[in-house]
Amino acid sequence: AQKVTQAQTEISVVEKEDVTLDCVYETRDTTYYLFWYKQPPSGELVFLIRRNSFDEQNEISGRYSWNFQKSTSSFNFTITASQVVDSAVYFCALSEPGGFKTIFGAGTRLFVKA
Amino acid sequence: DTEVTQTPKHLVMGMTNKKSLKCEQHMGHRAMYWYKQKAKKPPELMFVYSYEKLSINESVPSRFSPECPNSSLLNLHLHALQPEDSALYLCASSQDIQRGADTQYFGPGTRLTVL
Repeated sequence: AQKVTQAQTEISVVEKEDVTLDCVYETRDTTYYLFWYKQPPSGELVFLIRRNSFDEQNEISGRYSWNFQKSTSSFNFTITASQVVDSAVYFCALSEPGGFKTIFGAGTRLFVKA
Repeated sequence: DTEVTQTPKHLVMGMTNKKSLKCEQHMGHRAMYWYKQKAKKPPELMFVYSYEKLSINESVPSRFSPECPNSSLLNLHLHALQPEDSALYLCASSQDIQRGADTQYFGPGTRLTVL
């Protein structure tokens, strides 16, 4: 069965600190897709990244970076020099090709204080 | 343009009312989704439409009735709801569900309160 675990329920940091959000997944398939979404207080889920299981290259996009490690079934997300606008709930998610469902983790609520 | 729009933003209804939520996308996506999200929980899948046909119904009570009039529009008709149905209702779309695991793009949601 598929499962996504985000063990950190809430994280609080001070602006300009770096913060890493953990995501551990379980799946029996060799082909799968991983996602991160951001949900600010307004409610909309904003797509951040999609990564397939064959691409273990880490990715950096501005202050955001992602570390995908199949050996530990983890897909962690790091925000460098956090800002107040980064305050949101972040969801890690897993999907399989041909599958109709996206499995979401429980989410990590990030508070960035000025 | 990766925009999915939803109306209304907020809705308050009584248990005997009939109302509808609307969702629209103009990205040419052929799969559309309804999710329900309770406070401090992840989104829960309710329905999936693929090429305007209902592909998935996650055992949702019949007081929720989805409709896909065309490839750009998705409605959710509400009737005789219960207070526990109060939640954020999110619509999403993706390019082609048959290819599997396409990125879903979400709308801003409708915050529903049932009195």
